[in-house]
Amino acid sequence: KAGVTQTPRYLIKTRGQQVTLSCSPISGHRSVSWYQQTPGQGLQFLFEYFSETQRNKGNFPGRFSGRQFSNSRSEMNVSTLELGDSALYLCASSPDGTPLDSPLHFGNGTRLTVT
Amino acid sequence: AQSVTQLGSHVSVSEGALVLLRCNYSSSVPPYLFWYVQYPNQGLQLLLKYTTGATLVKGINGFEAEFKKSETSFHLTKPSAHMSDAAEYFCAVTALSGGYQKVTFGTGTKLQVIP
Repeated sequence: KAGVTQTPRYLIKTRGQQVTLSCSPISGHRSVSWYQQTPGQGLQFLFEYFSETQRNKGNFPGRFSGRQFSNSRSEMNVSTLELGDSALYLCASSPDGTPLDSPLHFGNGTRLTVT
Repeated sequence: AQSVTQLGSHVSVSEGALVLLRCNYSSSVPPYLFWYVQYPNQGLQLLLKYTTGATLVKGINGFEAEFKKSETSFHLTKPSAHMSDAAEYFCAVTALSGGYQKVTFGTGTKLQVIP
């Protein structure tokens, strides 16, 4: 099986712009979670989608949004970019009806730099 | 509510020395515990997991962890460090929240291996 695929790998944007990141989960996985990783804050949970519905949300401003499509692929969008949004954005997938001992499967991330 | 504390954001060991990375958890229910490793510019990958049963868990790359309920700990060890072990390590706990899996990550420990 192919792993979790995130595109693009690197992105450079200017303050005020918006950006869309994409994540394709492992085939058969219906849950997709997004994380922001920065040196100062570590791994911070953004949101989780399951069957096209946002099931859980972290403590981020409304500029951060996401969606999930019927094929389980997910996108996250950040509008009105700020310098502090520079980070590695990680996507993780897990199977349907996840038992608690199922690990998350991560993509390699999208490195976003805001200038 | 569950939480994870990783003691030491940076740990340095000599090549061939013992690796010990500390993780303490807090959970109101029996925990499911994980260690993940992240190499530079990559996503997280599963090292090992504890569910129920044997308290000593063996993972990939010679790592193991011991679950100690009385100490609420799940420390990660490796008898002999290798240069390739240099990475960031995350402890995580999962539990049911609102009927689905919720994952809480520690702040991570960067392991430096000195030749």
